[in-house]
Amino acid sequence: GAGVSQSPRYKVAKRGQDVALRCDPISGHVSLFWYQQALGQGPEFLTYFQNEAQLDKSGLPSDRFFAERPEGSVSTLKIQRTQQEDSAVYLCASSLFRWRKDLEAFFGQGTRLTVV
Amino acid sequence: GQQLNQSPQSMFIQEGEDVSMNCTSSSIFNTWLWYKQDPGEGPVLLIALYKAGELTSNGRLTAQFGITRKDSFLNISASIPSDVGIYFCAGQPSNAGGTSYGKLTFGQGTILTVHP
Repeated sequence: GAGVSQSPRYKVAKRGQDVALRCDPISGHVSLFWYQQALGQGPEFLTYFQNEAQLDKSGLPSDRFFAERPEGSVSTLKIQRTQQEDSAVYLCASSLFRWRKDLEAFFGQGTRLTVV
Repeated sequence: GQQLNQSPQSMFIQEGEDVSMNCTSSSIFNTWLWYKQDPGEGPVLLIALYKAGELTSNGRLTAQFGITRKDSFLNISASIPSDVGIYFCAGQPSNAGGTSYGKLTFGQGTILTVHP
């Protein structure tokens, strides 16, 4: 597709349930990012992939959060045993891996996760 | 946590007025980017700045990379109703490197309302 695609757009999970959020980056984009955006806040970095390699996962809030990108394209963010504080919009972004352009990330529409 | 301070937090203006907002940091940044986010959507890149003192325009939008490398400004001229949204600054700290190269830090956003 022309842009970054995320699914589902909305997810309601019961506390303790596991969830999986999918991201299809722009074709040919080497870099892929996950951000978490709480209500009324700016996005906060979670993790960064370059192809299939997860180069930075310093923003993942706990070991319940896990991300993968096994073939260097589609990525999945998994949250185990969801808690209410996990409720947020999860944004995926991708960019070209070229000097400077790597920072010009294109964002998807996000997945709004609500944990009840 | 967030390292960027955006101001003002919100603005209410009349259509046709010019708008100015800024972003400051306590540390030096290598790159500044400005994004706009509409409700229910992901952020959309407006302008990217890579050099201290750089002034870049995109239509009615003009942004500048402060010469101290600790701030950036975004101006919108002759505002129109579709300018409504949340504007985020984002940047990469100068100490980012290696596996953290692509990681962006976002401000908390400026909410812009334009009255017709």
